[in-house]
Amino acid sequence: AQTVTQSQPEMSVQEAETVTLSCTYDTSENNYYLFWYKQPPSRQMILVIRQEAYKQQNATENRFSVNFQKAAKSFSLKISDSQLGDTAMYFCAFMKPGANTGNQFYFGTGTSLTVIP
Amino acid sequence: KAGVTQTPRYLIKTRGQQVTLSCSPISGHRSVSWYQQTPGQGLQFLFEYFSETQRNKGNFPGRFSGRQFSNSRSEMNVSTLELGDSALYLCASSSSIQGLFGEQYFGPGTRLTVT
Repeated sequence: AQTVTQSQPEMSVQEAETVTLSCTYDTSENNYYLFWYKQPPSRQMILVIRQEAYKQQNATENRFSVNFQKAAKSFSLKISDSQLGDTAMYFCAFMKPGANTGNQFYFGTGTSLTVIP
Repeated sequence: KAGVTQTPRYLIKTRGQQVTLSCSPISGHRSVSWYQQTPGQGLQFLFEYFSETQRNKGNFPGRFSGRQFSNSRSEMNVSTLELGDSALYLCASSSSIQGLFGEQYFGPGTRLTVT
């Protein structure tokens, strides 16, 4: 079975600064996908960024980027120029694709990020 | 496209009762997954349905069950409610077609409180 570990339950960052959220995972699979989801307070969970394991290039979405280290099984999220709207719970997720069995998702326990004005 | 919708948004039930939650996926999505979210536990996978068949199941007791209809709408049922069942229940849909990312799109959740 796959496991996803987020070792930072809570983090804070000053507005406009940069913060990095950590995520490690354990798997014997070679083909998989990784995601970061954001869940603002009392609001819907939304996808922030995604990464295919077979791609060496790190994914980037505006102020959000990842540092994907496949050998180390590490998938950290960097938020640049932090904004108040980035305050949320962030979940790291691992997906094992399966044509017949369906895509199987495994989530970490989340990191609560607070952006301080 | 309309997003994933869940009804009701809030529920208060008494221990021993049963409850049914509903989820309508994004149009065209045939895979629906259910998760239980509690503080400190993150998202715990309950089950996944695809084309009216349960494909995957998490480690939850048999009191938790679900089904999916031909229009891909899904329901989740919890019988004999316990205080520990109080949680946010999230539904997520995906296209689940190999070759695509298959990322999940989440609904707003149903907040269940058991007293």
